[in-house]
Amino acid sequence: QQQVRQSPQSLTVWEGETAILNCSYEDSTFNYFPWYQQFPGEGPALLISIRSVSDKKEDGRFTIFFNKREKKLSLHITDSQPGDSATYFCAASAVGSSGNKLIFGIGTLLSVKP
Amino acid sequence: NSKVIQTPRYLVKGQGQKAKMRCIPEKGHPVVFWYQQNKNNEFKFLINFQNQEVLQQIDMTEKRFSAECPSNSPCSLEIQSSEAGDSALYLCASSLGGPAEQFFGPGTRLTVL
Repeated sequence: QQQVRQSPQSLTVWEGETAILNCSYEDSTFNYFPWYQQFPGEGPALLISIRSVSDKKEDGRFTIFFNKREKKLSLHITDSQPGDSATYFCAASAVGSSGNKLIFGIGTLLSVKP
Repeated sequence: NSKVIQTPRYLVKGQGQKAKMRCIPEKGHPVVFWYQQNKNNEFKFLINFQNQEVLQQIDMTEKRFSAECPSNSPCSLEIQSSEAGDSALYLCASSLGGPAEQFFGPGTRLTVL
């Protein structure tokens, strides 16, 4: 079963708009949630992450909103740029157990039109 | 930018052949992870090490897959007898350990004909 779910599978926004990518999880022991950005032919690059003790994390144009009660989080990309076009993966881990392996969603393909 | 080095970038093997890929973690990172990313973007954790010791591995790696992280040498992942279903991007990630982030290399794209 899918422990980390992402929606939508694909998203198209215009340059300058805010892209909202959603993620939900099932395992209540998950306490660390990184988002990775992956371009074709490359490995995933860590974009921003949040721990379950926080409900918001901001880094430039990227913000994670986290709702522990509902087991949901979202990545907001403000002022989207064509260079942001990539696949974004939400991941989760129960830090401190299981060797900290990451469980990934299947990604959201973001396309930013100029 | 990640400084995890993976070689080769591309690997083509016939069914039944051995496939071996290598990973040099970021300097100072004692923890190394191997993941498999298939064409449907599904990631599967394979194995992880702290220094030279295995922390955790899935059942699959106990059969046809083997991995090691020897001291002062690159880590490696080897598939003893490749199958078509092994075709995927194999990703190595390294970490300082504990709650620290994982940083990925560019991956080795394995194609099994």
